Formats: sequence, C-alpha cells, structure tokens
Amino acid sequence: GAGVSQSPSNKVTEKGKDVELRCDPISGHTALYWYRQSLGQGLEFLIYFQGNSAPDKSGLPSDRFSAERTGGSVSTLTIQRTQQEDSAVYLCASSLTTGRTEAFFGQGTRLTVV
Amino acid sequence: DAKTTQPPSMDCAEGRAANLPCNHSTISGNEYVYWYRQIHSQGPQYIIHGLKNNETNEMASLIITEDRKSSTLILPHATLRDTAVYYCIVCSWGKFQFGAGTQVVVTP
Repeated sequence: GAGVSQSPSNKVTEKGKDVELRCDPISGHTALYWYRQSLGQGLEFLIYFQGNSAPDKSGLPSDRFSAERTGGSVSTLTIQRTQQEDSAVYLCASSLTTGRTEAFFGQGTRLTVV
Repeated sequence: DAKTTQPPSMDCAEGRAANLPCNHSTISGNEYVYWYRQIHSQGPQYIIHGLKNNETNEMASLIITEDRKSSTLILPHATLRDTAVYYCIVCSWGKFQFGAGTQVVVTP
C-alpha cells in the first residue's frame, strides 16, 4: 500500500495478557517510530529505529514494552502482562531518513485492556 | 531537542486566514521546525517544515523569524476540515517530541 499500515486497528485484551501490534512502513523508508496516545492526551514517544543502527528505546515506559524491526521493514511492538494503564492508541510512523524529512503516520491501533 | 510553546486553543472563521504561533526560543542551529496536525481519531498529518527560510506548500505557509526563536503557521483560507490539533515541533533528527499543541476550531 501507499501509506503506513497498522494492524489490528482495534484490540481488546484481558489484563495480564501479552499483545503484539504490527506496523508496515512505507516501502523504502529507513526510519520507523512508535508513539502512544492516551485518551485526550498528546503523543508520547516510545521507540525509534533508523536503518541498522541500535534503536532509541528511551521512551519505552517499562520493561514490559519491547519492539523489533525485522529486515529493516516490518516492526512489532510487544506489550507483556498488559495493564489497564496501557490502554491507548499506538501509532507508528515512518520516514525516508531521520529528522529532515517528514514522517508519515498510520491510523493507529486502539488497545483496550479490560 | 528544543521545547516549543503554543497557545492551547484558538478559533478561526471559515474562509479567513488562521495564524498559529509557536515559540522555540532554545532552538539550536541544526534543528528544523515541523508542523503536524491531528484531526480527531486520525493519525498526525505532516503539514510543512523549514530551517530558516520561509516555506510554502499547497497546505500552508511557514514564517520563521530571523532569530529562529519563533514561527507562525499560516492556513490561508481556513475550512471546517481544518479543525484539528496543530503541533509545532523542533527536531534535528528522528525522535519528534509532540507537545500539547493548539486546538484550532474553524467556525462557519
């Protein structure tokens, strides 16, 4: 597709379960970002991948959160032992390179932990 | 990355120009100014970015002061579809840090 694709669009999970969120960036984009947006709040940076460099994980809120990017393309954000405070929209973005080009966002995955 | 300050909200009449201010007094020489917007329940949308020169595209114009400590996003003819939260970000690489933004409401 032409844009950033995220799946699933909605996910309801029980507290304590693990979840995986997927992001397919725009083809050829070397930079990939994950953000989180809680209801009524701004975007919170989580993690950033650039090519083969070590990812910037400085925004991950706890060790229950991890992300990987396979083959420089698809990325998966994993949340282990989900908590109710993890409920939010998780947004992925990609760009051709870092900083000086615009990032394109997907429509997000709405995660609800019950 | 430098922080930005934006007014929390502003109203604009349909068909009029909307001028959105942003202060970034601690911006460094290699940081760009980016503007994004987020329409309710959608992912953020890129609008425009610049370093020190004014920029214009099909969506908006970006005016950056000579000292680069502030900028203004101009939507030349606001429409109802421009109602959104507008984010001003300064960034030199990757990690876009979003603040609270300005809630713009365009009224008929």
